[in-house]
Amino acid sequence: KQEVTQIPAALSVPEGENLVLNCSFTDSAIYNLQWFRQDPGKGLTSLLLIQSSQREQTSGRLNASLDKSSGRSTLYIAASQPGDSATYLCAPWANQAGTALIFGKGTTLSVSS
Amino acid sequence: DTGVSQNPRHKITKRGQNVTFRCDPISEHNRLYWYRQTLGQGPEFLTYFQNEAQLEKSRLLSDRFSAERPKGSFSTLEIQRTEQGDSAMYLCASSSGTPDSGNTIYFGEGSWLTVV
Repeated sequence: KQEVTQIPAALSVPEGENLVLNCSFTDSAIYNLQWFRQDPGKGLTSLLLIQSSQREQTSGRLNASLDKSSGRSTLYIAASQPGDSATYLCAPWANQAGTALIFGKGTTLSVSS
Repeated sequence: DTGVSQNPRHKITKRGQNVTFRCDPISEHNRLYWYRQTLGQGPEFLTYFQNEAQLEKSRLLSDRFSAERPKGSFSTLEIQRTEQGDSAMYLCASSSGTPDSGNTIYFGEGSWLTVV
């Protein structure tokens, strides 16, 4: 059974800092891994999807890396802004028949101005 | 695309009553997923459909829960004889293709259930 752990659980930084969010998963046999953002009381917004054959994906100030063999992914946020404050969730999709995205508990980020 | 639409957005019900949530996925998306999320936790998988076929149900989906997707378009999630522990946000998501096709899963805004 896939288990996902995200560290740290919460993070507070001043505006402008670069930061790294960590995600580890127990089943390395995955199709892909997605990073999502969730604002309080809202649904999830997809940020990046990394295919199992890829090492990283970039979108604007966000860069996600994937080390499938070690069961790890990181989300790098450059030059953080107050608008980045949210909970960030990672979700690998294990390549076993009938499974779906399994989520960690997320990292709650607070960026102060 | 108008995105994944969920209704109602909020529902307060008395314990023991039945509730039904509706999800309209992005058009042409063949896969539809239901998740449940409680405060401070990540979304937990409940079930998913490929077209009208329900391909997997989580052990979280007790016999009081039923989901349908009768024509492979919208889906409903019904909770019978609600309990206070059912209070959560119920999230619907949709995607096209298969997991190895690299297609993003899109989530709706969720339906909040409060059982009093």
